[in-house]
Amino acid sequence: AQSVSQHNHHVILSEAASLELGCNYSYGGTVNLFWYVQYPGQHLQLLLKYFSGDPLVKGIKGFEAEFIKSKFSFNLRKPSVQWSDTAEYFCAVTPALYSGAGSYQLTFGKGTKLSVIP
Amino acid sequence: DVKVTQSSRYLVKRTGEKVFLECVQDMDHENMFWYRQDPGLGLRLIYFSYDVKMKEKGDIPEGYSVSREKKERFSLILESASTNQTSMYLCASSHRVRHTEAFFGQGTRLTVV
Repeated sequence: AQSVSQHNHHVILSEAASLELGCNYSYGGTVNLFWYVQYPGQHLQLLLKYFSGDPLVKGIKGFEAEFIKSKFSFNLRKPSVQWSDTAEYFCAVTPALYSGAGSYQLTFGKGTKLSVIP
Repeated sequence: DVKVTQSSRYLVKRTGEKVFLECVQDMDHENMFWYRQDPGLGLRLIYFSYDVKMKEKGDIPEGYSVSREKKERFSLILESASTNQTSMYLCASSHRVRHTEAFFGQGTRLTVV
């Protein structure tokens, strides 16, 4: 089974600072990768996803992530954060190829809480 | 717009009660998931289903069961609620095809007293 590790539990930044949130996964095969965001009081929504092709993926609201296969990493970045980016961010992984019913499992990390100070 | 609807936003139940959490999706998705979300622990998968009447255990299935009698509906059952099952429960759905994202409901905050 796969697993996801997010290195930072809580990150505090000032507005306009650059952001990088770490995500590493553990799985022996090809994967699909996701970043989700949960704004206070709201449901989880997709920020961006990687399935194949260009390892640099662009998402909504100026976020991007880079898939580095050799490092099993999928770090989330944003050049300049805003107060409205205050939220909890979750990295998730699912196997890309079918190898039984367990392939449909979508596994999340523990999340990183981002607080942006105006 | 994809909609995943959970029947209750807030529930308070007593220890030992049988609790049903309902989830309905309107996008003809094959996969449906139940997670619980706790501070510092992220989202932990309880059960998922990839087709009607099919279910698979996730990472923390103990104390829970599920039912998928219709494609659009996935129920989570707490056979005998305990205080350590107080949590936020999230339902999600996705297409079975590999290249897809999961869509989430608003969550049910369950308190067991």
